[in-house]
This record gives sequence, C-alpha cells and structure tokens, in this order.
Amino acid sequence: DIVMTQSPDSLAVSLGERATINCKSSQSVLYSSNNKNYLAWYQQKPGQPPKLLIYWASTRESGVPDRFSGSGSGTDFTLTISSLQAGDVAVYYCQQYYNIPFTFGPGTKVDIK
Amino acid sequence: EVQLLESGGGLVQPGGSLRLSCAASGFTFSSYAMNWVRQAPGKGLEWVSVICGSGDSTYYADSVKGRFTISRDNSKNTLYLQMSSLRVEDTAVYYCAKSRGGSCYSGNDYWGQGTLVTVSS
Repeated sequence: DIVMTQSPDSLAVSLGERATINCKSSQSVLYSSNNKNYLAWYQQKPGQPPKLLIYWASTRESGVPDRFSGSGSGTDFTLTISSLQAGDVAVYYCQQYYNIPFTFGPGTKVDIK
Repeated sequence: EVQLLESGGGLVQPGGSLRLSCAASGFTFSSYAMNWVRQAPGKGLEWVSVICGSGDSTYYADSVKGRFTISRDNSKNTLYLQMSSLRVEDTAVYYCAKSRGGSCYSGNDYWGQGTLVTVSS
C-alpha cells in the first residue's frame, strides 16, 4: 500500500497570511504514460463531508477559489492557501488514487492565529 | 445538480449485517465510478471500496475484504454496500463519493452527507 504522510499535523495562520501543507507518498504517484500525478486534496469542515479542492496534484476543481493551489510531483506535494480566510478553517487531506487502496493522508488541521 | 443521499446506517451488534444505499441524481450514474469512504468518530478518512463505471470491477480495502460487497443498480441510480460480520472497529460515518470519471482511478468530486454505522453490543 502507498502510505501518505502530511506535515504539519496542525497549523495556525493569521488572516490574510499564507498556509502551506505538505504531503508525501511512500512511492511515486506519477504515471509516466500520461505524466499525471494521481493526487487529490480535500477540505473537510466540521460536520461536513469532504470537498474536492485539487486533482492531478495541481488542477483546481471548478468553483474553488484561486487562493488554493497545489504543486509537486512524484512523491512530494504541497497545498498552499495564499491568503487565509476565516472560512478556510478546516482539516485538509491528501489522497493518492494511483494504486488501490486509495489511501488518504492523516490530515492537517488549519486554524486562525 | 449532483446529489448523493446515503441511507441504511444504524446500530448493529458485532457479527451483524447492514446494507447501505446511496441514491444518486443529477448525473449519468452509469458513466462514473463510485466509492465508499468511511470516517471513524474523531478520526481521518479511510477509503473502503470502489466500483468502476459498468460495475464489472470492484476493489476493497484489506480491512473489509471478504466482509463487505459493493454493488450498483444503474437502472435505479443507486450504489450499495453490503456489510457483514461487522466489527466494533467498523463504527464510522460512511460516505458515498462519485469519481470524477468512469475510471476507478480519479479523485472524488461529489460526496454525500454520510450515514452513521455503529457496531456495539
């Protein structure tokens, strides 16, 4: 199984400041035949289901604000919130869909400082 | 508008069975892979199972393999999860989630609100 790790476990950022979350996979999730990274990012607010933010590691889902961006390739990925808003308080998960089982990272909790 | 509505959760004793349903609307159900993902109370997300577009390919997490069965009825736009030999550690909110494409190998762009399964004596 591909093991997903995230860092930090939690972070507190001032409103308007940048938040950066890292995700690492135990093996590459880059499929060489199409040069796509099989990596997604989700946001989960309390009491709500997860919401897809980013897929193919860097493609923003329709309707997601452009302050959310994804980057990275192979085994190392980053989710960046360029200017944190109050409504961004949530737990963020990365997930690989390169190999079954489709494993999630443990999550990173983002709060306001 | 895409909607996914889970049902069938509840309290069941260890060793018991339960069938979850997920009624889908707002998209061509038969064209998309569908997943079940669960979340134990206060814990992270755990992928459980996926069924690819036509239903001929199904896959499971090791933790549920041999006990859970995913299926779909494309005529009813409904996804199912038959759970048997339930264990206390299966207690979780179960979400159905739509894949972005027909392939199993894509992210999940829509999620239901979830249904709570509690396994306890």
